[in-house]
Amino acid sequence: AQRVTQPEKLLSVFKGAPVELKCNYSYSGSPELFWYVQYSRQRLQLLLRHISRESIKGFTADLNKGETSFHLKKPFAQEEDSAMYYCALRGYGNKLVFGAGTILRVKS
Amino acid sequence: DVKVTQSSRYLVKRTGEKVFLECVQDMDHENMFWYRQDPGLGLRLIYFSYDVKMKEKGDIPEGYSVSREKKERFSLILESASTNQTSMYLCASSLGQGGGWSTDTQYFGPGTRLTVL
Repeated sequence: AQRVTQPEKLLSVFKGAPVELKCNYSYSGSPELFWYVQYSRQRLQLLLRHISRESIKGFTADLNKGETSFHLKKPFAQEEDSAMYYCALRGYGNKLVFGAGTILRVKS
Repeated sequence: DVKVTQSSRYLVKRTGEKVFLECVQDMDHENMFWYRQDPGLGLRLIYFSYDVKMKEKGDIPEGYSVSREKKERFSLILESASTNQTSMYLCASSLGQGGGWSTDTQYFGPGTRLTVL
């Protein structure tokens, strides 16, 4: 079975603090992992994908196959990072499977 | 810039009504998707289509059907709406390659919040 787990429904941090949004996956093959973000009153959009190994808006995510994780990290949170974040896996049948999402609140 | 539009932002229907949700994309994408978004459950795939008149069931197709008569338009149909179909519905599209799947980005519409009374 393929599954994505985001253990935190809500993560609240202060501005300038480090952020780590957790994502674990279950998949027996070679996965492709993504992070999607939805800012308030905006549509869901791709933030980053593991295959590109890039940093977007200061966020990075490393695929750890040993721990089956794809945590999203940013060293210094900003208020504009407040949003809903979804981790997603492309697995069997090339369909995207999404986690339940984590709300990030950055407090001033 | 990819544009995915959905016919309504908010919709209120009664139990048993037939409901149509429309989605249009303007970038000649081959793949189109319908998801529902529920708190604590994330996004769940209802149906998807990789070509005109082609459709595939997603993870939760029960109670839904779809239609793709034209490449740019993908409709979600609730034959007989029920209260447990109250949700946010998101449409998405992606480029595709030659009718098959690729590792490309999905672009989402603004969503339709459907309430079934």
